[in-house]
Amino acid sequence: LAKTTQPISMDSYEGQEVNITCSHNNIATNDYITWYQQFPSQGPRFIIQGYKTKVTNEVASLFIPADRKSSTLSLPRVSLSDTAVYYCLVGDYNTDKLIFGTGTRLQVFP
Amino acid sequence: DGGITQSPKYLFRKEGQNVTLSCEQNLNHDAMYWYRQDPGQGLRLIYYSQIVNDFQKGDIAEGYSVSREKKESFPLTVTSAQKNPTAFYLCASQPGTANPPQYFGPGTRLTVL
Repeated sequence: LAKTTQPISMDSYEGQEVNITCSHNNIATNDYITWYQQFPSQGPRFIIQGYKTKVTNEVASLFIPADRKSSTLSLPRVSLSDTAVYYCLVGDYNTDKLIFGTGTRLQVFP
Repeated sequence: DGGITQSPKYLFRKEGQNVTLSCEQNLNHDAMYWYRQDPGQGLRLIYYSQIVNDFQKGDIAEGYSVSREKKESFPLTVTSAQKNPTAFYLCASQPGTANPPQYFGPGTRLTVL
């Protein structure tokens, strides 16, 4: 199976930019990279999705290098309400199954 | 959560009993998924279905069964063969177009006593 790894945790302060990286060394050729936010005891919430280069929406940006073996979720000017666990989701090249990353617990301090 | 509902939110069962978790979506999505999440852990795929009357095993299918008789419904049965069924169960659905995101329901927390 592909290894889809993320840093276990990150700390930040309100107003700072946070960048969370996901490594996916065996990503399927045609699959997109999707990021989710999850609060305790809730279902993951879709944040952003991209295939290559850069994608931006009203809440985040997603940077994907040319080899697509990693991706970086960028949250501009985080607030306390951004404290959550963030997951990437990618397709595996060999099995064609979607695999969630290990998750990054972001703690935002005042 | 969109148009995906899971019921109930909390479920308690005695050891050895089968239990069925409901997942319904009114989004007209083709694909549906079941995941299991243990405390402090990520999501692991149990089963998925890309069309009605067809489903595939995920990474941890042992002790679980599913059916997909209708497009909008994808119930998951946790059988007595599942050795450690206490967990948070999440259902998701996905449109049939190329590489769309999955959308998740609110989850069901199953506790086996």
